[in-house]
Amino acid sequence: AQKVTQAQTEISVVEKEDVTLDCVYETRDTTYYLFWYKQPPSGELVFLIRRNSFDEQNEISGRYSWNFQKSTSSFNFTITASQVVDSAVYFCALSPFSGGYNKLIFGAGTRLAVHP
Amino acid sequence: DAMVIQNPRYQVTQFGKPVTLSCSQTLNHNVMYWYQQKSSQAPKLLFHYYDKDFNNEADTPDNFQSRRPNTSFCFLDIRSPGLGDAAMYLCATSKEGLAVPTYEQYFGPGTRLTVT
Repeated sequence: AQKVTQAQTEISVVEKEDVTLDCVYETRDTTYYLFWYKQPPSGELVFLIRRNSFDEQNEISGRYSWNFQKSTSSFNFTITASQVVDSAVYFCALSPFSGGYNKLIFGAGTRLAVHP
Repeated sequence: DAMVIQNPRYQVTQFGKPVTLSCSQTLNHNVMYWYQQKSSQAPKLLFHYYDKDFNNEADTPDNFQSRRPNTSFCFLDIRSPGLGDAAMYLCATSKEGLAVPTYEQYFGPGTRLTVT
């Protein structure tokens, strides 16, 4: 079975705090892709990162960083020095490599509220 | 800017009255997807077009149909909307191929459907 679990339903922080969003996935595939998307109140899903199963290097992009650990099937997302504009729902997603199309299996999402 | 456009952003229809949602893209991507996202839930894939080939998810109700007259446009038809079909409908596109690794999906802003 393919599944993504985001155990944190809602997180509330004060601006400038660091926050980590957890993502745990299940798959029997050896090749797969992991994604993070941001959904602000406007509704549009915004792509943040894609990682394939063979690349366990952590990645940093500005205030965003991602920690991929195959040993624990986790792909966690950290926002450093959070800002009010980071307030959104964040989805982690899994895509098995089908060679045909990219089926995204989403987690339930984590709603992040950053307060001034 | 290349993008995914959805019209209208808000649609109100009556119970049982057919409704069509539209999606267009300027990305020239070969795959187009339709997702249903109910309140506080993750997006759920309804179907996708790989080029001209239509692929239905197993649990998508027959009430939902889709058309893709050309590369740029894709329509979602709901033949007899019920109250349970009220949701945000998201269109997405991606560039895929048998020899090409899975790329990210680009989402439109969504159409929020209300059924009265």
